[in-house]
Amino acid sequence: GNSVTQMEGPVTLSEEAFLTINCTYTATGYPSLFWYVQYPGEGLQLLLKATKADDKGSNKGFEATYRKETTSFHLEKGSVQVSDSAVYFCALSDVDNYGQNFVFGPGTRLSVLP
Amino acid sequence: DTGVSQDPRHKITKRGQNVTFRCDPISEHNRLYWYRQTLGQGPEFLTYFQNEAQLEKSRLLSDRFSAERPKGSFSTLEIQRTEQGDSAMYLCASSRTAGGPTYEQYFGPGTRLTVT
Repeated sequence: GNSVTQMEGPVTLSEEAFLTINCTYTATGYPSLFWYVQYPGEGLQLLLKATKADDKGSNKGFEATYRKETTSFHLEKGSVQVSDSAVYFCALSDVDNYGQNFVFGPGTRLSVLP
Repeated sequence: DTGVSQDPRHKITKRGQNVTFRCDPISEHNRLYWYRQTLGQGPEFLTYFQNEAQLEKSRLLSDRFSAERPKGSFSTLEIQRTEQGDSAMYLCASSRTAGGPTYEQYFGPGTRLTVT
């Protein structure tokens, strides 16, 4: 079945550091890929998405490129801020023989220190 | 647009009791989803509706769980004969219908269930 694997957290960085959170997936079809973010005490929010191979999603300085050859969708940001501290979830949406399914990774907690 | 709302935000119940949660989606969204999230894990898909039709149920969904969306607007999720393993955050999300699985889902704040 479909699955999403993320790098384990927590990830702790200093402000203005470069961020990478790795995400790889397994899917039987041609999934759409997403990054969601969950700030403390809040619900999940869509951060960015990509719907086909080589698409790059971007938002708020974050970027991720849909790499079909490596089945990856790594999240990057060139300079993190304290306000980026949150839990980040990689997710896919796909259709297989059983219908539509939505799979989230376990999340990676990011802490940015001033 | 007031976002997705869920009620209650917290529920504590004793094992064996029934509980019901409500979700009000964004008004123009015709798709509604339920997820379960346990500590340190990502959301686990339970079921989703398009308008009032329940189109998909997770193969992991116990028969003690039932969901309805009678008028294609709000939805309820009922858990019968609760067990301690049902303790989790229950998330609701909604989306528009798009031409494929590319639509984004908007999540509510969740209902945290504790079964004692």
